[in-house]
Amino acid sequence: DIQMTQSPSSLSASVGDRVTITCQASQDVSNNLNWYQQKPGKAPKLLIYDASNLERGVPSRFSGSGSGTDFTFTISSLQPEDIGTYYCQQYANVLPYTFGQGTKVEI
Amino acid sequence: QLQLQESGPGLVKPSETLSLTCTVSGGSISSSSYYWGWIRQPPGKGLEWIGSIYYTGRTYNNPSLKSRVTTSLDTSKNQFSLKLTSATAADTAVYYCVVVGATAFDYWGQGVLVTVSS
Repeated sequence: DIQMTQSPSSLSASVGDRVTITCQASQDVSNNLNWYQQKPGKAPKLLIYDASNLERGVPSRFSGSGSGTDFTFTISSLQPEDIGTYYCQQYANVLPYTFGQGTKVEI
Repeated sequence: QLQLQESGPGLVKPSETLSLTCTVSGGSISSSSYYWGWIRQPPGKGLEWIGSIYYTGRTYNNPSLKSRVTTSLDTSKNQFSLKLTSATAADTAVYYCVVVGATAFDYWGQGVLVTVSS
């Protein structure tokens, strides 16, 4: 299995802060990497696909970058509604599809 | 927009089969545009992909679940289903049905908690 390691596991930031989460794959996944947001008690929601593409309707303060084994997810200006847990997920041509362990974002 | 709704028993006894159904609205499960899948999340833990099925019936499952997983389609009801045999406490989780697009899990159901306990 491809292991996905997110850092940090949790963070606390202030409204307006720039927040960065990293995700490292145990092997090359090219740009086959997605980011999801899960708010408390809700299903995850796709935010970024193919490492850097913003899903339709997602605010532009969210962004992603990277390829190969190292990826970054950024919230340029943290808003109160952004609290939740963020997951990276790879879909390289190696089953199973796997997720990172999650990063909990608090204000 | 596609919408998904999971249904099934919230309590399953150990060693029995966990069975869930996902009803799809806003689109057809016979569409060649998507796969249909299942993901689960144990309480307080992360996400685990269980498996996916295409409209042709072709399936891809997580090897960690070995032969315990069966997914199927019911085109007459626009539903797809999950069966997980020999359930144990480790299978206690919120189960989500998902739309699997070209590169991501595009849409998610609200999830259903299934507890495995006697």
